[in-house]
Amino acid sequence: EDKVVQSPLSLVVHEGDTVTLNCSYEVTNFRSLLWYKQEKKAPTFLFMLTSSGIEKKSGRLSSILDKKELFSILNITATQTGDSAIYLCAVGWDSSYKLIFGSGTRLLVRP
Amino acid sequence: KAGVTQTPRYLIKTRGQQVTLSCSPISGHRSVSWYQQTPGQGLQFLFEYFSETQRNKGNFPGRFSGRQFSNSRSEMNVSTLELGDSALYLCASSEETAMNTEAFFGQGTRLTVV
Repeated sequence: EDKVVQSPLSLVVHEGDTVTLNCSYEVTNFRSLLWYKQEKKAPTFLFMLTSSGIEKKSGRLSSILDKKELFSILNITATQTGDSAIYLCAVGWDSSYKLIFGSGTRLLVRP
Repeated sequence: KAGVTQTPRYLIKTRGQQVTLSCSPISGHRSVSWYQQTPGQGLQFLFEYFSETQRNKGNFPGRFSGRQFSNSRSEMNVSTLELGDSALYLCASSEETAMNTEAFFGQGTRLTVV
């Protein structure tokens, strides 16, 4: 059965800390892995990864995919209170036209 | 550029009733996906439409249905509501498919079944 597992489920850190969020998947005919940030209701796009070993970076956030070991990590450096949110990992596979989401990691950054 | 618009934002219904939710995608986007989000299950895929055709459907009972119009606006309908249907219903719009590119989510419709 296709599935996406995220860990940890929740995380509490202090401003300035660095965090690593994990996403592992089991999908046949993998197409893409996407990260989204959900602060209130509408998730917003962070990264899309399709190739192993190529880091995607945006400011303090970065992500990388390992297609051999079937996982991805999302790193956030120098965390800020505005980073507090649920981080969602989703995977798509060929001809499915759908995404399977993990349960998310709830990150709380304390001042 | 206007974002994804979902209406209504909040809805309270009683068991046994039916409900219709609407999603207007970003102009030019032809793919609309629907997801149900609950605290216990996370985001669960309902269906995806592209140019008025349903390309995939999630593992939900037949009470859940949807359609897409020629202007790409989409509706989903839930008949014979059950308490367990209480959830946040999100729609996502993308140019072709959410697998290949950024999808833009609406603010969702919060459905409460009492």
